[in-house]
Amino acid sequence: AQSVTQLDSQVPVFEEAPVELRCNYSSSVSVYLFWYVQYPNQGLQLLLKYLSGSTLVKGINGFEAEFNKSQTSFHLRKPSVHISDTAEYFCAVSDLSGGSYIPTFGRGTSLIVHP
Amino acid sequence: DSGVTQTPKHLITATGQRVTLRCSPRSGDLSVYWYQQSLDQGLQFLIQYYNGEERAKGNILERFSAQQFPDLHSELNLSSLELGDSALYFCASSATRGTEAFFGQGTRLTVV
Repeated sequence: AQSVTQLDSQVPVFEEAPVELRCNYSSSVSVYLFWYVQYPNQGLQLLLKYLSGSTLVKGINGFEAEFNKSQTSFHLRKPSVHISDTAEYFCAVSDLSGGSYIPTFGRGTSLIVHP
Repeated sequence: DSGVTQTPKHLITATGQRVTLRCSPRSGDLSVYWYQQSLDQGLQFLIQYYNGEERAKGNILERFSAQQFPDLHSELNLSSLELGDSALYFCASSATRGTEAFFGQGTRLTVV
């Protein structure tokens, strides 16, 4: 079964600094990859997705992520964060090989942006 | 607004009771997923329906059941509730299997 590891449970950073949130998944076969953001007391909102094509994908709010098949990673980056980026971030993987296509989520990374 | 509607937003009930959570997917989406989010377990997949048929089951307890109706809305039924069932329950929908899922605002269930 597919598993998703978000290596950092919490990432503190100062405003306007760059940030990288790390995500690794277990299977290297065909996958779709996603990053979601969850603000307090809200549902999950899609930030970006990789389905096929260019391994560098750009999303909303200035975020981007790079798919690395050999390292089974899909790290999320932003060159300059804002206070408003403080939220919980989830990496998700849909494994296409088993036929279920169920999005499996990591445990989440709490991004805390300090002024 | 994701287009996915969940009701109710909050639910407080006693142990041993039964509740029903409702989800209306985005217009045109055939696939519905239910997830449970708790502090200790993270976001756990419960069950998926596709165009009215159950397609996949995850860590769903036997006390829990779900269905998807012909108009594609879905209900998650939780019975014999225990304190440990307190969590956020999310519904998500997608146009096709595996592509991006759009999440509702969730139902916060508190069992007392």
